[in-house]
Amino acid sequence: EDQVTQSPEALRLQEGESSSLNCSYTVSGLRGLFWYRQDPGKGPEFLFTLYSAGEEKEKERLKATLTKKESFLHITAPKPEDSATYLCAVQDSRLTFGEGTQLTVNP
Amino acid sequence: DAGITQSPRHKVTETGTPVTLRCHQTENHRYMYWYRQDPGHGLRLIHYSYGVKDTDKGEVSDGYSVSRSKTEDFLLTLESATSSQTSVYFCAISGGEDEKLFFGSGTQLSVL
Repeated sequence: EDQVTQSPEALRLQEGESSSLNCSYTVSGLRGLFWYRQDPGKGPEFLFTLYSAGEEKEKERLKATLTKKESFLHITAPKPEDSATYLCAVQDSRLTFGEGTQLTVNP
Repeated sequence: DAGITQSPRHKVTETGTPVTLRCHQTENHRYMYWYRQDPGHGLRLIHYSYGVKDTDKGEVSDGYSVSRSKTEDFLLTLESATSSQTSVYFCAISGGEDEKLFFGSGTQLSVL
């Protein structure tokens, strides 16, 4: 059975304090790993797709990386507007979402 | 923002009543999905559609039915609502099976 585990469940950072979110997965045949951002009261918003181990994608202060067992979402010098829940999802024969990491960035 | 509209945004209903949620898209995407989101669970797929009148079950389809008579509309029906169906429901669309999803803003459904 496919499994996606995100850690930590919640993370509090000070503005400018860099950190990483983890997404560990177990799937039979990875066809893609997705990162989404979700703000309170809204639907998830697409950030990145990664397809193979070693791949990296960047957008502003965010960088996503992928290995054969996990993905990291690195946040460099975060700002309060980066506060959100970050969701990871893996695709093989179906798409499986993790429960998310709730990130709070304090000014 | 992708052109996805969910209605209603909020609904309170009683156990045993039928409920229909609507998803409307203006992107002409082939795939449409209904998910539910609950604390302690990731987003879980209820049903999806890969074309007009072409639908299939997801992992939590019991108690739900769907219909897609036009490319732009995907309806989710709870035939007889139960308290376990209290949740936030999201519609999503994509251009292909393995492609990124665009989500609507969600419907908060409370079944009393």
